[in-house]
Formats: sequence, structure tokens, C-alpha cells
Amino acid sequence: NAGVTQTPKFQVLKTGQSMTLQCAQDMNHEYMSWYRQDPGMGLRLIHYSVGAGITDQGEVPNGYNVSRSTTEDFPLRLLSAAPSQTSVYFCASNRPTETQYFGPGTRLLVL
Amino acid sequence: EDQVTQSPEALRLQEGESSSLNCSYTVSGLRGLFWYRQDPGKGPEFLFTLYSAGEEKEKERLKATLTKKESFLHITAPKPEDSATYLCAVLAANSNSGYALNFGKGTSLLVTP
Repeated sequence: NAGVTQTPKFQVLKTGQSMTLQCAQDMNHEYMSWYRQDPGMGLRLIHYSVGAGITDQGEVPNGYNVSRSTTEDFPLRLLSAAPSQTSVYFCASNRPTETQYFGPGTRLLVL
Repeated sequence: EDQVTQSPEALRLQEGESSSLNCSYTVSGLRGLFWYRQDPGKGPEFLFTLYSAGEEKEKERLKATLTKKESFLHITAPKPEDSATYLCAVLAANSNSGYALNFGKGTSLLVTP
């Protein structure tokens, strides 16, 4: 199993540009989620999904969109990037109430 | 509001010098407490899950314990390769998402030879 994979590993955007961060898992987990990690702030939940076709907002959802058309994939879309979205983004997956497994992260710099 | 506080923020140990990291929490009904290790530039790596007060789990030089208010990660005779940031997270019974983890800010551990 590859576990949780994320692409790209690193991205530089200009303010106002849009992009999609990709996340895939091959463990047949029902739940998937996106976090951002900033210095001194810890990991904060952006959006999550409890199954294909079902998504909901986390703690810091503004400026991000998600969709879940398959069990395996959970892309995160930045509609109009802002410098405040410079961060490291982690995708995670798990079975209900069980351990979350994390991907390697995407480092995003918005200029 | 659910809160997770980790202390100390940073810890420097000599190789072989045992110590403990603390994770105190306030949640309305604990479903589980999770410990992760995170190396620079990597994603969090799962270490332990604890579900009820009194529970203990061990892995190599690490031992995690849980009370009703806090968890400890004990590191016995650490080695330089134990250097990392250790994250604590709780799963609350009444979290809006039904499952979302609430993370502490982590303890950065440096073990010197």
C-alpha cells in the first residue's frame, strides 16, 4: 500500500491564482480530511469528508473548496490564492474513530 | 471549548537522559487520544492511541500513559534519532464533525550525543 499520497510536494503561486492540491489513499478509508500547519498554530482542520459525495467544513474553511467523487480521492481547491494561505497542507484518511494516517504534505508559497 | 495543551514547547536532552512530555486536555467526552511523531519536512507519523484512563502503550523507548486530564509520553534512554516534534491530538465525543482530531501545538525534542 502506498498509503496517503499528495501532489505536488511544493508549489509557488501568485496572489489571485487558483490551483488544486491532490490527495489519494489506497486503504479504502471512509474518512478523509485536509489540515494546514503553520508555525505556532499546530494542525488546523480545513475540510473533511465522511464518504463519497459528502463533505463538510472544519475550523478554517474560507478560501478553500473540496469535493469527494470517489472513496480514493479528495482534492483541495484554492479558488483565488492569498498570501495568508502560505502554509504546509496535509491530507489524512482513516476509518471512523480510528487512527488518522497522514500524507507527506504540500508546501505552498503564495507571493 | 475543547483544548489540547502540550508542554514543554521544546526540550533538549542528552543521549540516555530520560524525560516525559505532557499533553493536557479538556474535552467533553474523550473518544481517544493520539500521539504522533513528525520529522522536519514530513507528515505526522502515528505512534499510539489511548482510549481510557489508566491505559498504557509502549513502543521501543516510548511509553504513553493516560489519565482523565492528561497524557504523558515517557522517553527512556533517548537516542539522537528520537529527535522530532511530538504531537498530541484528541478525538472528542461531541466534536461537530463526529471524528475530527483536535491537535496540540507539539513538543520539539532534540537529543544530543
